[in-house]
Amino acid sequence: DVKVTQSSRYLVKRTGEKVFLECVQDMDHENMFWYRQDPGLGLRLIYFSYDVKMKEKGDIPEGYSVSREKKERFSLILESASTNQTSMYLCASRTASSGQADTQYFGPGTRLTVL
Amino acid sequence: GNSVTQMEGPVTLSEEAFLTINCTYTATGYPSLFWYVQYPGEGLQLLLKATKADDKGSNKGFEATYRKETTSFHLEKGSVQVSDSAVYFCALRRGNTPLVFGKGTRLSVIA
Repeated sequence: DVKVTQSSRYLVKRTGEKVFLECVQDMDHENMFWYRQDPGLGLRLIYFSYDVKMKEKGDIPEGYSVSREKKERFSLILESASTNQTSMYLCASRTASSGQADTQYFGPGTRLTVL
Repeated sequence: GNSVTQMEGPVTLSEEAFLTINCTYTATGYPSLFWYVQYPGEGLQLLLKATKADDKGSNKGFEATYRKETTSFHLEKGSVQVSDSAVYFCALRRGNTPLVFGKGTRLSVIA
Protein backbone atom coordinates (compact mmCIF):
# COMPACT_ATOMS: atom_id res chain seq x y z
CA ASP A 1 0.00 0.00 0.00
CA VAL A 2 1.11 3.50 -0.77
CA LYS A 3 1.78 5.47 2.33
CA VAL A 4 2.05 9.21 2.75
CA THR A 5 2.93 10.26 6.28
CA GLN A 6 2.96 13.69 7.86
CA SER A 7 5.12 14.48 10.85
CA SER A 8 2.35 15.73 13.14
CA ARG A 9 -1.43 15.38 13.32
CA TYR A 10 -1.81 18.46 15.50
CA LEU A 11 0.50 21.41 15.96
CA VAL A 12 0.18 24.61 17.97
CA LYS A 13 2.58 27.47 17.27
CA ARG A 14 2.95 31.14 18.20
CA THR A 15 2.73 34.05 15.79
CA GLY A 16 6.12 34.76 14.28
CA GLU A 17 7.54 31.28 14.79
CA LYS A 18 9.14 29.38 11.93
CA VAL A 19 7.16 26.22 11.30
CA PHE A 20 8.19 23.08 9.44
CA LEU A 21 5.65 20.56 8.19
CA GLU A 22 7.20 17.34 6.96
CA CYS A 23 5.80 14.85 4.48
CA VAL A 24 7.27 11.51 3.47
CA GLN A 25 6.03 9.03 0.85
CA ASP A 26 7.24 5.48 0.37
CA MET A 27 6.29 4.77 -3.25
CA ASP A 28 9.10 6.50 -5.10
CA HIS A 29 6.69 9.10 -6.49
CA GLU A 30 8.13 11.98 -8.44
CA ASN A 31 5.32 14.44 -7.83
CA MET A 32 4.45 15.85 -4.42
CA PHE A 33 1.96 18.50 -3.36
CA TRP A 34 1.00 20.67 -0.41
CA TYR A 35 -2.59 21.87 0.07
CA ARG A 36 -4.43 23.71 2.76
CA GLN A 37 -8.04 22.94 3.55
CA ASP A 38 -10.41 25.51 5.01
CA PRO A 39 -14.19 25.36 5.54
CA GLY A 40 -16.05 26.75 2.57
CA LEU A 41 -12.89 27.07 0.48
CA GLY A 42 -12.09 23.42 -0.16
CA LEU A 43 -8.52 22.43 -0.99
CA ARG A 44 -6.15 25.07 -2.24
CA LEU A 45 -2.77 24.23 -3.72
CA ILE A 46 0.18 25.93 -2.03
CA TYR A 47 3.24 24.43 -3.76
CA PHE A 48 4.12 21.34 -5.69
CA SER A 49 7.23 19.59 -6.90
CA TYR A 50 7.79 17.42 -9.95
CA ASP A 51 11.20 16.15 -8.85
CA VAL A 52 14.01 16.59 -6.38
CA LYS A 53 15.08 20.22 -5.97
CA MET A 54 12.22 21.35 -8.19
CA LYS A 55 9.31 23.42 -6.96
CA GLU A 56 6.38 25.23 -8.50
CA LYS A 57 4.03 27.77 -6.98
CA GLY A 58 0.43 26.78 -6.62
CA ASP A 59 -2.54 29.05 -6.16
CA ILE A 60 -1.68 30.48 -2.74
CA PRO A 61 2.12 30.40 -2.18
CA GLU A 62 2.38 33.67 -0.25
CA GLY A 63 3.80 33.19 3.22
CA TYR A 64 5.08 29.69 2.46
CA SER A 65 8.17 28.04 1.05
CA VAL A 66 9.08 24.42 0.37
CA SER A 67 12.09 22.15 0.27
CA ARG A 68 12.62 18.92 -1.69
CA GLU A 69 16.14 17.65 -1.03
CA LYS A 70 15.22 13.97 -1.30
CA LYS A 71 12.69 12.31 -3.53
CA GLU A 72 10.63 10.89 -0.71
CA ARG A 73 10.43 14.04 1.41
CA PHE A 74 8.67 17.33 0.78
CA SER A 75 8.71 19.99 3.48
CA LEU A 76 6.43 22.99 3.84
CA ILE A 77 7.89 25.97 5.69
CA LEU A 78 6.05 28.87 7.25
CA GLU A 79 8.80 31.46 7.61
CA SER A 80 6.89 33.56 10.14
CA ALA A 81 3.61 31.98 11.15
CA SER A 82 0.52 34.17 11.28
CA THR A 83 -2.96 33.51 12.63
CA ASN A 84 -4.42 33.39 9.12
CA GLN A 85 -2.30 30.33 8.48
CA THR A 86 -4.31 28.34 10.99
CA SER A 87 -5.62 25.52 8.85
CA MET A 88 -5.51 21.84 7.94
CA TYR A 89 -2.49 21.06 5.76
CA LEU A 90 -2.56 18.07 3.45
CA CYS A 91 0.37 16.52 1.63
CA ALA A 92 -0.06 14.31 -1.44
CA SER A 93 2.06 12.38 -3.91
CA ARG A 94 1.64 10.84 -7.34
CA THR A 95 3.75 9.08 -9.89
CA ALA A 96 4.83 11.10 -12.92
CA SER A 97 3.57 9.47 -16.06
CA SER A 98 1.72 10.53 -19.15
CA GLY A 99 -1.44 9.05 -17.67
CA GLN A 100 -3.59 11.84 -16.31
CA ALA A 101 -5.74 9.28 -14.51
CA ASP A 102 -3.04 8.28 -12.06
CA THR A 103 -4.20 8.26 -8.46
CA GLN A 104 -2.99 10.98 -6.12
CA TYR A 105 -2.41 9.73 -2.57
CA PHE A 106 -2.92 11.91 0.48
CA GLY A 107 -1.48 11.97 3.95
CA PRO A 108 -3.73 12.22 7.04
CA GLY A 109 -3.22 15.95 7.41
CA THR A 110 -1.71 18.28 9.99
CA ARG A 111 -4.06 20.61 11.84
CA LEU A 112 -2.02 23.71 12.58
CA THR A 113 -3.17 26.34 15.04
CA VAL A 114 -1.27 29.63 15.21
CA LEU A 115 -1.93 31.64 18.36
CA GLY B 1 -8.71 27.88 -16.88
CA ASN B 2 -9.87 24.53 -15.59
CA SER B 3 -12.41 24.53 -12.79
CA VAL B 4 -14.85 22.31 -10.92
CA THR B 5 -18.17 23.32 -9.41
CA GLN B 6 -20.01 21.05 -7.05
CA MET B 7 -23.19 21.47 -5.09
CA GLU B 8 -22.84 23.12 -1.75
CA GLY B 9 -23.68 21.24 1.38
CA PRO B 10 -24.25 20.18 3.87
CA VAL B 11 -26.45 17.37 2.67
CA THR B 12 -28.36 15.44 5.32
CA LEU B 13 -30.07 12.18 4.44
CA SER B 14 -31.71 9.33 6.25
CA GLU B 15 -30.17 5.91 6.02
CA GLU B 16 -31.13 4.03 2.79
CA ALA B 17 -32.00 7.27 0.97
CA PHE B 18 -30.79 7.96 -2.58
CA LEU B 19 -27.81 10.27 -2.92
CA THR B 20 -26.86 12.63 -5.73
CA ILE B 21 -24.04 15.14 -5.47
CA ASN B 22 -23.79 17.31 -8.56
CA CYS B 23 -20.46 18.16 -10.16
CA THR B 24 -19.82 20.12 -13.34
CA TYR B 25 -16.51 21.12 -14.83
CA THR B 26 -14.86 23.53 -17.22
CA ALA B 27 -11.77 22.31 -19.03
CA THR B 28 -10.06 22.30 -22.36
CA GLY B 29 -9.77 19.00 -24.13
CA TYR B 30 -10.51 15.75 -22.32
CA PRO B 31 -9.68 15.75 -18.64
CA SER B 32 -9.81 12.78 -16.30
CA LEU B 33 -12.44 13.13 -13.59
CA PHE B 34 -12.30 11.96 -9.99
CA TRP B 35 -14.31 11.74 -6.80
CA TYR B 36 -12.34 11.77 -3.56
CA VAL B 37 -13.80 11.15 -0.10
CA GLN B 38 -12.58 12.43 3.26
CA TYR B 39 -13.83 10.59 6.32
CA PRO B 40 -13.74 12.43 9.65
CA GLY B 41 -10.20 12.99 10.90
CA GLU B 42 -8.57 11.54 7.80
CA GLY B 43 -6.94 12.64 4.57
CA LEU B 44 -8.55 12.28 1.17
CA GLN B 45 -8.79 8.96 -0.59
CA LEU B 46 -9.81 8.15 -4.13
CA LEU B 47 -13.39 6.93 -4.39
CA LEU B 48 -13.71 6.50 -8.16
CA LYS B 49 -12.56 7.95 -11.45
CA ALA B 50 -13.32 8.06 -15.17
CA THR B 51 -10.94 8.84 -17.99
CA LYS B 52 -13.10 9.42 -21.07
CA ALA B 53 -16.58 10.35 -22.16
CA ASP B 54 -19.34 7.90 -21.19
CA ASP B 55 -17.02 6.03 -18.81
CA LYS B 56 -18.65 5.05 -15.55
CA GLY B 57 -16.57 4.91 -12.40
CA SER B 58 -17.85 2.84 -9.50
CA ASN B 59 -16.76 1.79 -6.03
CA LYS B 60 -18.45 0.90 -2.71
CA GLY B 61 -21.88 1.31 -4.29
CA PHE B 62 -21.10 4.80 -5.58
CA GLU B 63 -21.22 5.58 -9.31
CA ALA B 64 -20.48 8.53 -11.55
CA THR B 65 -20.66 8.82 -15.34
CA TYR B 66 -18.44 11.11 -17.40
CA ARG B 67 -20.86 13.21 -19.47
CA LYS B 68 -19.02 15.25 -22.07
CA GLU B 69 -22.15 16.85 -23.50
CA THR B 70 -23.18 18.31 -20.14
CA THR B 71 -19.63 18.56 -18.71
CA SER B 72 -20.82 16.73 -15.62
CA PHE B 73 -19.70 13.92 -13.31
CA HIS B 74 -22.47 13.55 -10.75
CA LEU B 75 -21.95 11.16 -7.84
CA GLU B 76 -24.81 8.77 -6.99
CA LYS B 77 -25.54 6.02 -4.54
CA GLY B 78 -28.78 4.11 -4.32
CA SER B 79 -28.88 3.54 -0.57
CA VAL B 80 -26.62 5.48 1.77
CA GLN B 81 -25.39 4.25 5.13
CA VAL B 82 -24.31 6.09 8.25
CA SER B 83 -20.74 5.08 7.43
CA ASP B 84 -20.94 7.15 4.21
CA SER B 85 -20.94 10.35 6.25
CA ALA B 86 -17.94 12.27 4.93
CA VAL B 87 -16.87 15.16 2.73
CA TYR B 88 -16.88 14.41 -1.00
CA PHE B 89 -14.66 16.25 -3.49
CA CYS B 90 -15.00 16.28 -7.25
CA ALA B 91 -11.75 16.89 -9.16
CA LEU B 92 -10.25 16.95 -12.63
CA ARG B 93 -6.82 16.72 -14.20
CA ARG B 94 -5.43 17.52 -17.63
CA GLY B 95 -2.05 15.97 -18.40
CA ASN B 96 0.59 15.92 -15.69
CA THR B 97 -0.77 18.96 -13.87
CA PRO B 98 -2.09 19.23 -10.32
CA LEU B 99 -5.61 18.12 -9.58
CA VAL B 100 -8.23 20.86 -9.62
CA PHE B 101 -10.76 20.33 -6.82
CA GLY B 102 -14.28 21.49 -6.16
CA LYS B 103 -15.01 22.97 -2.75
CA GLY B 104 -16.37 19.75 -1.30
CA THR B 105 -19.80 18.62 -0.15
CA ARG B 106 -20.37 17.44 3.38
CA LEU B 107 -22.76 14.49 3.68
CA SER B 108 -24.37 13.47 6.94
CA VAL B 109 -26.41 10.28 7.07
CA ILE B 110 -28.66 9.77 10.07
CA ALA B 111 -30.01 6.44 11.25
